[in-house]
Amino acid sequence: DGGITQSPKYLFRKEGQNVTLSCEQNLNHDAMYWYRQDPGQGLRLIYYSQIVNDFQKGDIAEGYSVSREKKESFPLTVTSAQKNPTAFYLCASNTGGGGQPQHFGDGTRLSIL
Amino acid sequence: DQQVKQNSPSLSVQEGRISILNCDYTNSMFDYFLWYKKYPAEGPTFLISISSIKDKNEDGRFTVFLNKSAKHLSLHIVPSQPGDSAVYFCATWDSSYKLIFGSGTRLLVRP
Repeated sequence: DGGITQSPKYLFRKEGQNVTLSCEQNLNHDAMYWYRQDPGQGLRLIYYSQIVNDFQKGDIAEGYSVSREKKESFPLTVTSAQKNPTAFYLCASNTGGGGQPQHFGDGTRLSIL
Repeated sequence: DQQVKQNSPSLSVQEGRISILNCDYTNSMFDYFLWYKKYPAEGPTFLISISSIKDKNEDGRFTVFLNKSAKHLSLHIVPSQPGDSAVYFCATWDSSYKLIFGSGTRLLVRP
């Protein structure tokens, strides 16, 4: 089955700790994206990557970092610099370019201990 | 400043009736719009899209209407079913091929 897998589904972070959220896709998509959703709000773009070894900041990149070493994988690290990390994180992918719907994973909910 | 606005945070309709979800945008250069449906604790799923060269696109019970002069689009669901209860997001592409999402409308279809 082709799709996007995010893990873990739930994650807890201690104060001052970095955590990494996994996103893997087997859709052979070039572009991958990370979004954050807060209660009652839409999706806000954190980082995106149109091609391997390249990525750009989205609207709320501060306190986050990413890497794109493989086409299939786009992990997101929530660093200790992110002061309000509690949210629902969504990874998406598409073939790149405009007009192509993004396919989403089922998300990771991050909470602070 | 929000470029894509969904001004109704919630909507409740009776099963079998029509659901109409609205979305407004600010930039007349936007030329392709999408609707996503999202259940709790799941990722959004693509529902239907429309290009600015059309004013209507239909797929089964779902129809999207686009009014370019008013910079407004709407999603009609008829007949509405309890399984349609979810949050619906409209979205469009910016010039960098990034999706811009509205804040969503929570639809409740009452049995």
